[in-house]
Amino acid sequence: GAGVSQSPSNKVTEKGKDVELRCDPISGHTALYWYRQSLGQGLEFLIYFQGNSAPDKSGLPSDRFSAERTGGSVSTLTIQRTQQEDSAVYLCASSPMRGGAYNEQFFGPGTRLTVL
Amino acid sequence: GNSVTQMEGPVTLSEEAFLTINCTYTATGYPSLFWYVQYPGEGLQLLLKATKADDKGSNKGFEATYRKETTSFHLEKGSVQVSDSAVYFCALSRSGSARQLTFGSGTQLTVLP
Repeated sequence: GAGVSQSPSNKVTEKGKDVELRCDPISGHTALYWYRQSLGQGLEFLIYFQGNSAPDKSGLPSDRFSAERTGGSVSTLTIQRTQQEDSAVYLCASSPMRGGAYNEQFFGPGTRLTVL
Repeated sequence: GNSVTQMEGPVTLSEEAFLTINCTYTATGYPSLFWYVQYPGEGLQLLLKATKADDKGSNKGFEATYRKETTSFHLEKGSVQVSDSAVYFCALSRSGSARQLTFGSGTQLTVLP
């Protein structure tokens, strides 16, 4: 079946502009995660959605970052007033969350964001 | 807080050599441990996992054992192939509802023919 998809695959923007990154999780997966992969910081957790619960925003680096998940499916990560340090690959993952000790996270290909 | 420390790279080996990539962790409670792999031009994929102490995860000839006494989860393979060239990430997820992954810094492996 289809995996996690993300769009765009590449985004180049100017400093100060807003950007929106989209994630389409695997159908039926109730959990959705955003991570950021950057040269200086490695792979970092940003935000987590699970069903209708309030999202866990503990990883968002500043209030310029926000995310929504509409209808329990598609998610959009928005970065306002982008800065050069926001340049990174933004990864989305989804998980079935069937209970038990562990539910595998399936990753999308990522969106490479470059802020000039 | 939770953290993962893994062996600095890059690592370059000849084909059929033995591979070890060290990984240690700091976590409260009883985390689950993982190795993820990122092949060139591809997304992150789960390679193997272990969810409790003394469990051994294995896949594609790779193995790692969850050692609670040494807080380690070292990745090993007896005979690497050129196709194993990739970046390897050690990660943990704590028990609880969120279960987001905390990753190590990644180790670049290059296998030469």
